[in-house]
Amino acid sequence: EVQLVESGGGLVQPGGSLRLSCVGSGFRFGGYWMSWVRQVPGKGLEWVGNIKEDGRERYYADSVKGRFTISRDNAKNSLYLQMNSLRAEDAAVYYCARERLMEWIWGQGTVVTVSS
Amino acid sequence: IQLTQSPSFLSASVGDRVTITCRASQGITNYLAWYQQKPGIAPKLLIYAASTLQSGVPSRFSGSGSGTDFTLTISSLQPEDFATYYCQQLDKYPYTFGRGTKLEI
Repeated sequence: EVQLVESGGGLVQPGGSLRLSCVGSGFRFGGYWMSWVRQVPGKGLEWVGNIKEDGRERYYADSVKGRFTISRDNAKNSLYLQMNSLRAEDAAVYYCARERLMEWIWGQGTVVTVSS
Repeated sequence: IQLTQSPSFLSASVGDRVTITCRASQGITNYLAWYQQKPGIAPKLLIYAASTLQSGVPSRFSGSGSGTDFTLTISSLQPEDFATYYCQQLDKYPYTFGRGTKLEI
């Protein structure tokens, strides 16, 4: 069974940093693009960015470009989201997703709270 | 690419046929997916490539359209279908989502 499990969420002060992780199982992790998507509770979905199978291409939403970095370690079946210079508006549930063309599978999400 | 979903809210009854529309600000061929989301749970893929039913999704769900205009149809509403529905375009970066349609009893 394909499974994605995010972790690393928590409370961080504005201007602070946080690193999220996503571990995949039940599939060949290194064979897929991976994305991060976030959702402010009670609001809509926002794509954050993605990374190619070998990590050599990455794309980001304008709202996070220059502050967030996506990386992966295929040997550990892991995807990461390094979030720096966090703002109140970055508070959300963060989901990782496996891309297979347009057929995405999502994790259960991890909550990030940005507050002083 | 902006996606405009309508309606934002929809009240319906069990057994009803409902249609949700998603209009893209520019042509996206068939690079569109539909999701269902219930409170506190990750989105669930229903339809991809505009009209392909995801494995395990009931056949009462169907999708159609291409270019800029797309629809999600539920042929006969079941109690478990009351949720929020989102469309997503995957034609060009940045990937974008519609603002959602909340389907209420």
